[in-house]
Amino acid sequence: KAGVTQTPRYLIKTRGQQVTLSCSPISGHRSVSWYQQTPGQGLQFLFEYFSETQRNKGNFPGRFSGRQFSNSRSEMNVSTLELGDSALYLCASSFSGRGYEQFFGPGTRLTVL
Amino acid sequence: AQSVTQLGSHVSVSEGALVLLRCNYSSSVPPYLFWYVQYPNQGLQLLLKYTSAATLVKGINGFEAEFKKSETSFHLTKPSAHMSDAAEYFCAVSGSNTGNQFYFGTGTSLTVIP
Repeated sequence: KAGVTQTPRYLIKTRGQQVTLSCSPISGHRSVSWYQQTPGQGLQFLFEYFSETQRNKGNFPGRFSGRQFSNSRSEMNVSTLELGDSALYLCASSFSGRGYEQFFGPGTRLTVL
Repeated sequence: AQSVTQLGSHVSVSEGALVLLRCNYSSSVPPYLFWYVQYPNQGLQLLLKYTSAATLVKGINGFEAEFKKSETSFHLTKPSAHMSDAAEYFCAVSGSNTGNQFYFGTGTSLTVIP
């Protein structure tokens, strides 16, 4: 069974630009979560999507948004990039419901110059 | 509310020595607990999970963790460290709200000294 895939793996953007990251979950998984990982803040939860609906949301500004498609693939968008948005963005998929393990993709490394 | 605390952001052990990584949790509902490992420039990989079936949980690569409700702990252990165990380790608890939101600890970086 193929794992979680994320594209692109690396991105370099400049301040003020916007970026879209993509995540394809494991087949059969309908829950997709996004995390931001930085050395200073660790793993921070962005949001979770299930059946094209945002089910949970972390404490991030509105510049961070996401969506999920009918095939469970998900995208996250960051508008008006700031230097502090430089991070590893991780996507994880799971079966729905509490207690199921999340399976992580390799991440997208975003660098904002 | 759910949260986890990992004591010790950096742990160093000698090759062949016992590995002990500490995790304490706070949960308003019976917890589901997880340990993940992250190697450089990679995503997180599940080591093991506790879902109330047994208090001693065995995972991959020789790791195991014991759930202790009285101590609200879920420490990760491995009897004999190997060089390949050097990585970042994260403890997580599953949220109680609708969905499957995870709350992660701040991580423990394990160094294995040859």
